[in-house]
This record gives sequence, structure tokens and C-alpha cells, in this order.
Amino acid sequence: NAGVTQTPKFQVLKTGQSMTLQCAQDMNHEYMSWYRQDPGMGLRLIHYSVGAGITDQGEVPNGYNVSRSTTEDFPLRLLSAAPSQTSVYFCASTLTQGAHGTDTQYFGPGTRLTVL
Amino acid sequence: AQKVTQAQTEISVVEKEDVTLDCVYETRDTTYYLFWYKQPPSGELVFLIRRNSFDEQNEISGRYSWNFQKSTSSFNFTITASQVVDSAVYFCALSDRGSTLGRLYFGRGTQLTVWP
Repeated sequence: NAGVTQTPKFQVLKTGQSMTLQCAQDMNHEYMSWYRQDPGMGLRLIHYSVGAGITDQGEVPNGYNVSRSTTEDFPLRLLSAAPSQTSVYFCASTLTQGAHGTDTQYFGPGTRLTVL
Repeated sequence: AQKVTQAQTEISVVEKEDVTLDCVYETRDTTYYLFWYKQPPSGELVFLIRRNSFDEQNEISGRYSWNFQKSTSSFNFTITASQVVDSAVYFCALSDRGSTLGRLYFGRGTQLTVWP
């Protein structure tokens, strides 16, 4: 049981380049999400998914796309990277508990992205 | 609206001192969950505790203790006899039924430095 895995750990892009941050979990969790962490800002939600085939926008979705073709994988795509997307990106997953609220979210190790 | 406030940006203590990290939250929901996460210098997010709104009992886990007070909308975290290994950024987070299921609202974090 590897938990939540993310690749790559580090990435440097030039402005305008595209790339995909990978996220996978082997816990059969329904809910997956992407956050970005910027200094002094805490973590902010980018996109989330409540199950395979279902995605929605979070607080800061602009410039990012996601898809959820399987329960296990939830990649985050940057179509045209901008310096403002320099950040640390965390993927998280949780087994939702329905009406009683949210189970604990487990985070991947993070991807540190720099856009020049 | 949901909001988590961690007013202490940085705290420095000397080893063996006790330290309390403050967390104040806002939510209109009567059912919600509160979390604390630790982010050591290595960067990963480590889950510490999850508490639901129906359970106001304080909790102690080794040197860690949590004081949940609904009357003041606070969920404070105390480390007793701090150690250098406690140096990290600590995040308080909220999830409620009124928000997107599974979404966490994070405070901006408190950087704790424990000096030897």
C-alpha cells in the first residue's frame, strides 16, 4: 500500500510549456483533489474529483485542467505554464463518509514546480 | 463562508518549553470536521488529528494535546516539552457539510521553530 504518490518531485518549466503532474492512490478512495501551496497562503484547492468521470473546479482553477478516467489516477495538466504557477503542488485523497462529513485526507509528497 | 485563521505566523521557543498554536474557524454548518497537519522541513504533509463538531472532548496524544471549544470557535494545539524535531509548519483545516464534500479549508500555517 503506497498511499498517494506524485511524480515528478521537482520540475522546472519555461513560460508557455505544458506538462502533466501525476497523482495516483492505491487506497480505492473516491475523492481526490489538487492543492497548491504558496508562501504565507496555506493550501488552496485547484480541482477536485468525487469519483471516476467526475471533476469540478476549486478555488484557483485557472490555468489547470484535470481528468479522472480511473479511481486511482488524477493527473493535473498545465497547458501553458506561467511564472504565477510556480508553487508546490499536493495531491490528496480521501474515503468520503457521505452525510457525516469528511474522512481524513491523505496527501502525496508534493511536486515543487518552478516556471521561468 | 468557511474560514480558518491562524494568527501566529511564526513562533520560536527553546527546547522543553510548552507551546500552543492557535486556530480559530468560521462555519455556518453545525456538522464539521477540524484537522491539524504538520509539514516538516522535508515538505510532506503529515496528518495529526481529526475532530468532529459533536465531540468537544480534549485529546492528548503523547506530548500533543488539542483543546476544542465550540463557544469560541477554536481548536488549539499544544506541544508539551517541545523538541527540535517539532520544528515545522503546522496547518489547521476545516471541512463541513456546506462546502464541497471533502474540501479542506486551510489556515495559512504557523511556523514553529524549536531551538536546542
